[in-house]
Amino acid sequence: ETGVTQSPTHLIKTRGQQVTLRCSSQSGHNTVSWYQQALGQGPQFIFQYYREEENGRGNFPPRFSGLQFPNYSSELNVNALELDDSALYLCASSLGREETQYFGPGTRLLVL
Amino acid sequence: AQSVTQLGSHVSVSEGALVLLRCNYSSSVPPYLFWYVQYPNQGLQLLLKYTTGATLVKGINGFEAEFKKSETSFHLTKPSAHMSDAAEYFCAVSGGLGGAQKLVFGQGTRLTINP
Repeated sequence: ETGVTQSPTHLIKTRGQQVTLRCSSQSGHNTVSWYQQALGQGPQFIFQYYREEENGRGNFPPRFSGLQFPNYSSELNVNALELDDSALYLCASSLGREETQYFGPGTRLLVL
Repeated sequence: AQSVTQLGSHVSVSEGALVLLRCNYSSSVPPYLFWYVQYPNQGLQLLLKYTTGATLVKGINGFEAEFKKSETSFHLTKPSAHMSDAAEYFCAVSGGLGGAQKLVFGQGTRLTINP
């Protein structure tokens, strides 16, 4: 059984650019949640996707957007990157909206 | 709304000693509680979880935690520390948001094991 995978592992962008991060959920999981973890902090909830629809959003601006595909993989898109967007972005998948979340290794984004 | 407070951003113990990492939560609904561990440059690995039922929860790698509703606590313990336990530990509480299990994390506790 394959766990949660994320790509790329590392990414460097400049301020104002756009970025797309990808997540493949664990086999059989239909729910994907995204979190942002700034250096030295705990992860913060960005949003959750359940069966291709957004199902809850944290306190992040609209320039953070996402998609979930029919195979339940997901993308996180961030427009107009800011320096404060530099962080580890974690994806977690679960069997359902209220089930235990299992995390991928993360994508480390650096914005210069 | 839910929140988590982890007491002590850094904890240092000797190899073989008791590990105690403290977590207090606030929740307006019956909480689901979790402990995750994060090794350097890695994602989060689930150690254990409490949903309902038995208040003493056993997890992987010899860790356990006890849910104490009266104290709103969910402290993590391990009887004997091993060098491989050195990592960052996060306590989290689930928050209902239209059915979404939004996890609210504490700031983390970095555990150092001294030889």
